[in-house]
Amino acid sequence: AQTVTQSQPEMSVQEAETVTLSCTYDTSESDYYLFWYKQPPSRQMILVIRQEAYKQQNATENRFSVNFQKAAKSFSLKISDSQLGDAAMYFCAYTDRGSTLGRLYFGRGTQLTVWP
Amino acid sequence: SAVISQKPSRDICQRGTSLTIQCQVDSQVTMMFWYRQQPGQSLTLIATANQGSEATYESGFVIDKFPISRPNLTFSTLTVSNMSPEDSSIYLCSVATGGLTNEKLFFGSGTQLSVL
Repeated sequence: AQTVTQSQPEMSVQEAETVTLSCTYDTSESDYYLFWYKQPPSRQMILVIRQEAYKQQNATENRFSVNFQKAAKSFSLKISDSQLGDAAMYFCAYTDRGSTLGRLYFGRGTQLTVWP
Repeated sequence: SAVISQKPSRDICQRGTSLTIQCQVDSQVTMMFWYRQQPGQSLTLIATANQGSEATYESGFVIDKFPISRPNLTFSTLTVSNMSPEDSSIYLCSVATGGLTNEKLFFGSGTQLSVL
């Protein structure tokens, strides 16, 4: 079964600094997607960034980028120039591209605090 | 992207009663997913709802407890039946868009359920 592990329950960063959130996963599939979602206190799940396993190039979205290491099954999120609005719970998630496309497996989350 | 409206946003219910949660999408989607997020926990998939067929439930979830309807390609409901305090959670619906080559998964704003 697919599992997603986030080993950092909590992280903190100073405003304007850079922080990296870790995620590892376990799967026997070769073709899949990985996601980072942000959940602020409003509980809305917001898609931050998405990575396709068959692409070697790391995904980037403005201040957010990932370090995708397929062989190591590692998928970390880097937030540059952190802002107060980045404070939230961050979830790493996985889905197959096969018959279970769309079924997400989530990590336990990392609570990010941003200090002014 | 997809705009997902979920209601109610929150409710407080008595033990033994049932609550139906609605999820409306602004575009036609093949698959809709229902997740549960217990207090302080990550998200767990309850079931996948396909239009025109029975929902597919994950291990630990049964149709009698969580009946799902999917009458068309833009709407689904999840009922939490015979509620107990252990059912107090956030319930979220999710949709997959973009097809196999551009898969993205979006969430509704969630229903905060408290059972007394």
